[in-house]
Amino acid sequence: GAVVSQHPSWVICKSGTSVKIECRSLDFQATTMFWYRQFPKQSLMLMATSNEGSKATYEQGVEKDKFLINHASLTLSTLTVTSAHPEDSSFYICSAHRGYGYEQYFGPGTRLTVT
Amino acid sequence: DAKTTQPPSMDCAEGRAANLPCNHSTISGNEYVYWYRQIHSQGPQYIIHGLKNNETNEMASLIITEDRKSSTLILPHATLRDTAVYYCIVRAALTGANSKLTFGKGITLSVRP
Repeated sequence: GAVVSQHPSWVICKSGTSVKIECRSLDFQATTMFWYRQFPKQSLMLMATSNEGSKATYEQGVEKDKFLINHASLTLSTLTVTSAHPEDSSFYICSAHRGYGYEQYFGPGTRLTVT
Repeated sequence: DAKTTQPPSMDCAEGRAANLPCNHSTISGNEYVYWYRQIHSQGPQYIIHGLKNNETNEMASLIITEDRKSSTLILPHATLRDTAVYYCIVRAALTGANSKLTFGKGITLSVRP
């Protein structure tokens, strides 16, 4: 149980285009989902927190107009990187939280390369 | 959330126990100690967590000192597949947005054949 999937697992896009990454909790309903970014040889950095049906809360320094998060249901959250640039190339990881008393479960990550 | 300190790296021989230390001297009474690991190019994996009692599951054991200022994650019989970055995180057992995890640099465990 407690499986989180991400799609796609990797994507290459041209500079200036937008990319959408999906995060799904496959066997549970997630009250909260989190989006992280990880640059090479660095730790995970939290980008934003989203609750189903409400606006995401972004961490300081993360542009909300560039990284659009939609949490349309209790099993799906999407991250759209708009007008992507090479510096947005990174490993994007989502996690889903089932609720009090449960742990966060992480997706396998999405490798984004912007050329 | 309280800050944690881990050595940057360690190694151990395959089949031996791996003891990964973590200092969390500013931990408060309602904060748990969580351990996650991240194998290269994968998402983090939950290992174990505890409040003050020692905990054991199928993956590892967690030993927390009586004053709760430090802990040790024990992998009893390390295998090559245990090579990963291990993160020790201190956090209250909350729900919703307050359940976010703050990752430090972690400790890189290398298991050698």
